[in-house]
Amino acid sequence: DGGITQSPKYLFRKEGQNVTLSCEQNLNHDAMYWYRQDPGQGLRLIYYSQIVNDFQKGDIAEGYSVSREKKESFPLTVTSAQKNPTAFYLCASSTRGPLYGYTFGSGTRLTIV
Amino acid sequence: GQNIDQPTEMTATEGAIVQINCTYQTSGFNGLFWYQQHAGEAPTFLSYNVLDGLEEKGRFSSFLSRSKGYSYLLLKELQMKDSASYLCAVKDNFNKFYFGSGTKLNVKP
Repeated sequence: DGGITQSPKYLFRKEGQNVTLSCEQNLNHDAMYWYRQDPGQGLRLIYYSQIVNDFQKGDIAEGYSVSREKKESFPLTVTSAQKNPTAFYLCASSTRGPLYGYTFGSGTRLTIV
Repeated sequence: GQNIDQPTEMTATEGAIVQINCTYQTSGFNGLFWYQQHAGEAPTFLSYNVLDGLEEKGRFSSFLSRSKGYSYLLLKELQMKDSASYLCAVKDNFNKFYFGSGTKLNVKP
């Protein structure tokens, strides 16, 4: 079955460490996205990629980095420069065109310990 | 800029009907989507409108007025499992989505 997979589901990180969140899709979608969600708040866009080897900053890109070397994969690195990284991170993918919405991964909850 | 507004929280009774409103101001418009999100889980797609009018899908319906920048999600015959957050999202002309903060719906017996 086609879908989008995020791993791990729960992640704990010490302050000062970088950590990478995985996102893989087998839907043949061109576009992939990373969102952050804080308790009681909506989704805020971190980075997005419309095509392989190209990506753009979203509204809150500071302290994060991404790569898009393969169509299927869009990993997100949370760097030590991110001041408040504890949050729920959602990866999504979409095909082009007005008729299509997002398919979301199941999310990764990152906690600083 | 992009601005999408929804009520923060609503409460309704099992078996009743509830309407969740969403107003938006965006620089481009290529569709309005509603998602349901249970606590700690990923959002799941509910409905989509690109033209004005009502789209019905079982117990859920969604309405759009592009001239007014307004949409609503209508949930009928409420069930306890409908307790969740409902996210309104607008897709722009560049395939990007902008989300409202979500409306937390509490369904009580």
